[in-house]
Amino acid sequence: QTVVTQEPSFSVSPGGTVTLTCALSSRSVSTSDFPSWYQQTPGRPPRTLIYSTSSRSSGVPARFSGSILGNKAALTITGAQPDDESDYYCALFVGTGLYVFGPGTKVTVL
Amino acid sequence: EVQLVESGGGLVQPGGSPRLSCAASGFTVSGNYVSWVRQAPGKGLEWVSVIYSGDSTFYADSVKGRFTISRDNSRNTIYLQMNSLRPEDTAVYYCARGMTHGFDVWGQGTMVTVSS
Repeated sequence: QTVVTQEPSFSVSPGGTVTLTCALSSRSVSTSDFPSWYQQTPGRPPRTLIYSTSSRSSGVPARFSGSILGNKAALTITGAQPDDESDYYCALFVGTGLYVFGPGTKVTVL
Repeated sequence: EVQLVESGGGLVQPGGSPRLSCAASGFTVSGNYVSWVRQAPGKGLEWVSVIYSGDSTFYADSVKGRFTISRDNSRNTIYLQMNSLRPEDTAVYYCARGMTHGFDVWGQGTMVTVSS
């Protein structure tokens, strides 16, 4: 069974920078896992931020960026805004037709 | 405008067999791949199933053998037939268009509650 881990929570000051990570229990995350990132606020559907490691979805501000850091996928928010307070989920393509989401990271901006 | 609209949710008894629909507009389901993703109350996102443009289908272990994803190109709609429902299947079910092994457009979701 494929297990994905994310930090449970992060706190960032307005204007600050935060990096969230997405790891696999069994091996390193690579670009071949096509990591993607989603933002969700309570009661709303997810919003796509990043796909294929580092490509920003249409309309997503440039302060959101994706990368591979070491053996993990990473989402960096540079210059955090109050509206960025949300849950953030990563997803990995882990095999033919198979996807898995991480448990999510709750980001607080204060 | 690219849009997905889910329907078919509601209160279902354990063992029930509802069918969810995901109506697409602004693109053709025949030329894209579409997934179902669910979210139990207060929990995270869980990928459920995908149907590719070539008709290949795949499922999470938690629903394999109970759920079936299908497509009606004439209606531009994706379906999720859910059988033998359990209380742990209670969730908001989203459909999402695939893009480069991720998901780009999401519907608003439909709630399925499994309870007697």
